[in-house]
Parts: sequence; C-alpha cells; structure tokens
Amino acid sequence: EAGVAQSPRYKIIEKRQSVAFWCNPISGHATLYWYQQILGQGPKLLIQFQNNGVVDDSQLPKDRFSAERLKGVDSTLKIQPAKLEDSAVYLCASSHGQLSYEQYFGPGTRLTVT
Amino acid sequence: AQKITQTQPGMFVQEKEAVTLDCTYDTSDPSYGLFWYKQPSSGEMIFLIYQGSYDQQNATEGRYSLNFQKARKSANLVISASQLGDSAMYFCAMREGYRGGGNKLTFGTGTQLKVEL
Repeated sequence: EAGVAQSPRYKIIEKRQSVAFWCNPISGHATLYWYQQILGQGPKLLIQFQNNGVVDDSQLPKDRFSAERLKGVDSTLKIQPAKLEDSAVYLCASSHGQLSYEQYFGPGTRLTVT
Repeated sequence: AQKITQTQPGMFVQEKEAVTLDCTYDTSDPSYGLFWYKQPSSGEMIFLIYQGSYDQQNATEGRYSLNFQKARKSANLVISASQLGDSAMYFCAMREGYRGGGNKLTFGTGTQLKVEL
C-alpha cells in the first residue's frame, strides 16, 4: 500500500512570494489533514477535510493560507504572500476515519522563507 | 490550558534499558484517545501506539506500552530494551471528536530521546 505522498520535499522562497504544496493521501482515506510544524514544536493542525468538505480550519490563517481538496482525493495548500514566520515543515496526513483513528503522515515539505 | 503536556524536553537512556516518556492531558470529552508518534531526524511521523479512553487494558505494541492512568489523566509511553534506533523525538497526541463528526488531533511539544551505548 502506497503511503501519503507530498511534494515538493523542500522549498525556499522570499517573503511576500507565494508557494503551493501538494498532497496525495492513501487510497480510500476519506480524511485529510494539513499540519504546520515549526522547529522544536509539535505539529499544529491547520485544516482538516472529510472527503472534499472542510471539518476544521479554525487555526488556518485565512488571510494568507488557503487549501482545497478537489474530488475528495488530492489536496493543495497555498500560502500567499509568505512571511518569515511561515518557515516550517508542512505535514499532510490521512486517515480512514471509520476503520481506524490512526493518522498516516507524509514525509513533509520543509519551507524556508528568507 | 495546555491540552497535552510533555514535561521532559530531553531524555537519555542506556541501550537495553527501559525508559518512560511522560504525557499528561486535559479534556472534558468522555470519548478520546491518546497516541504516541516517533519522529526521527529524517522528519517522518511514525505511529507507535494508541489507547482509547474506554479501553480497559493498557495498549502494547512490541517493545512499546502505554501506561494509561485515566484518573491522573496521564498516558506515559514505556519503551523496553532501548535500541540505538530509538533515538528520536517522541510526540504524545490526543484525539477528540468534533460535534459534527470526525476527530481532531492535538500534539504535545515532544521529548527528544537519546539512546547511549
């Protein structure tokens, strides 16, 4: 079974530029999560999708961050414009939901904003 | 108030010894769960073990066991017979349900474990 795929793995941009991250969850997983992990901290949930509907985006900075999950499969997370404090690892995870609570994580995208 | 508290920023353990990583939590939801994840320096999050709030027995997965004390709201991870490959950051996380369905995971700040020869 293929795991959660994310791309790119690394990205360096200047502040005020825009960036997009892509995630492909495990096949059949209805729930998809985007987390932000700042160095030295635990992951913080940004947004959670159930199929293509948003369950929780209470911690998503909506003035600059946006996310979508078209057709309930792949998802993209966008930052526009980026700030220095957005430097972090962005983790995507998916879970089946009904069969198991376990969340399976992708390798993450390390973003550096200069 | 912190929902998940990990008070040990760093821990050292000798190879082949057991080690306990502490985790306390705070919730008013009667149905919840506790996870432990391992994050090596490569960055991926690896699921280790899960304990549901209604589970009667403490969860075990190979060398990992979860010491769940509901009254104390603690869910400590015990790693037996430590190996050099266990050196990593360990995160405790709590699952809570949303009113409309689905689950939310809240992570602690992590404990950096170093296994020494």
